[in-house]
Amino acid sequence: DQQVKQNSPSLSVQEGRISILNCDYTNSMFDYFLWYKKYPAEGPTFLISISSIKDKNEDGRFTVFLNKSAKHLSLHIVPSQPGDSAVYFCAADLAGGTSYGKLTFGQGTILTVHP
Amino acid sequence: DTAVSQTPKYLVTQMGNDKSIKCEQNLGHDTMYWYKQDSKKFLKIMFSYNNKELIINETVPNRFSPKSPDKAHLNLHINSLELGDSAVYFCASRRAYRGEQYFGPGTRLTVT
Repeated sequence: DQQVKQNSPSLSVQEGRISILNCDYTNSMFDYFLWYKKYPAEGPTFLISISSIKDKNEDGRFTVFLNKSAKHLSLHIVPSQPGDSAVYFCAADLAGGTSYGKLTFGQGTILTVHP
Repeated sequence: DTAVSQTPKYLVTQMGNDKSIKCEQNLGHDTMYWYKQDSKKFLKIMFSYNNKELIINETVPNRFSPKSPDKAHLNLHINSLELGDSAVYFCASRRAYRGEQYFGPGTRLTVT
């Protein structure tokens, strides 16, 4: 019962171009979404989040888009840099914060940015 | 100045042994978590403590027991280790009931 899915195991992009990472979810009670980046042998690092009351959130080169009707979110990285090469996880939290932070993670997408 | 630290980083042990993993956060957060990343790379929550009180307890074998001596520490003790316990275990913390969680570097446990 995988409630958060990242259907692309990997993505390869040229430096300077846009990287688009996708995430789908099935539980309509999710109302807060996060993206994490993970390098090998390190813990996940928080990138950006979005609440269900918004459809877009930007932070520098990173933008997250949320389409609630489609239960889909995406992370755009523009321009992509070689240092962005990592595994990207999307995560979802339940409405109202009553889950106490019980995040549900997708399985991750390996992003490779080529110089 | 590590925000969330875990020890040890690597742990190799034999089946049947008992082992502990320690976690400390210096962020002043109230809530701490343990996650397990299995061989398929899924990150799954195991436990959470808020101010030393257990608030999340997923379907985890009772061989796993978390202990929080104070709100800055959350340790994970595992009894009678099995091969299937081999995984990377991550500790995390968060300030309140909403917002991002900060993860430690992980502990790679290998049971032989």
